[in-house]
Amino acid sequence: QVQLLQSGAEVKKPGASVKVSCKVSGYTLTELSMHWVRQTPGKGLEWMGGFDPEEGETVYAQKFQGRVTMTDDRSTDTVYMELSSLTSEDTAVYYCAAGYRGGSYGPDGYYYYHYGMDGWGQGTTVTVSS
Amino acid sequence: SVLTQPPSVSAAPGQRVTISCSGSSSNIGNNYVSWYQQLPGTAPKLLIYDNNKRPSGIPGRFSGSKSGTSATLGITGLQTGDEADYYCGTWSNSLSAVVFGGGTKLTVL
Repeated sequence: QVQLLQSGAEVKKPGASVKVSCKVSGYTLTELSMHWVRQTPGKGLEWMGGFDPEEGETVYAQKFQGRVTMTDDRSTDTVYMELSSLTSEDTAVYYCAAGYRGGSYGPDGYYYYHYGMDGWGQGTTVTVSS
Repeated sequence: SVLTQPPSVSAAPGQRVTISCSGSSSNIGNNYVSWYQQLPGTAPKLLIYDNNKRPSGIPGRFSGSKSGTSATLGITGLQTGDEADYYCGTWSNSLSAVVFGGGTKLTVL
């Protein structure tokens, strides 16, 4: 079973950047599709970006294009999410999540990729305040 | 949200409840659906993947189904410990993004 351990809480000033890490254990990064999801106070889940197994690359939600960068270090099985130009609206809990890479054939005979998130980190609270 | 869920549902202990998730042909209609449970103050947890499969450790009281552009999560034998927010999620071909429903708060009366 995949386990994810995230870095600690951060407090940042508007305009700054934040970089959150997520250490993976139980699997290697090549076996997983890694995603980042955030949750603003009292709100739902918002996908920021992640690995698309069909395209074989990391893709970002349009809302965060140009402001988010997701990287990884395969030597330590750690992934990182950096968000720049922070505003108060970026105050949220940030989760890394992992899905088992690949897909399967559905009952209709078509091949479907797996975009589910089988494991989640504990969350990292990022507070943006002047 | 791209996927539509009811904001809240409620039922008595021991009863059965269903939570709907409505989308379109560009998301649910052509992709697998997952369901997540988020207990208060904790990270989400995968309940159902690939429309109707349960990860190991998830009780058989939880089930998932999909028909066309809608999906449904079913929970039988409700327990007070099931009180949580539930989210559906899938891939959107038109957005090239994972999309989630707005979440449904389950209250066990």
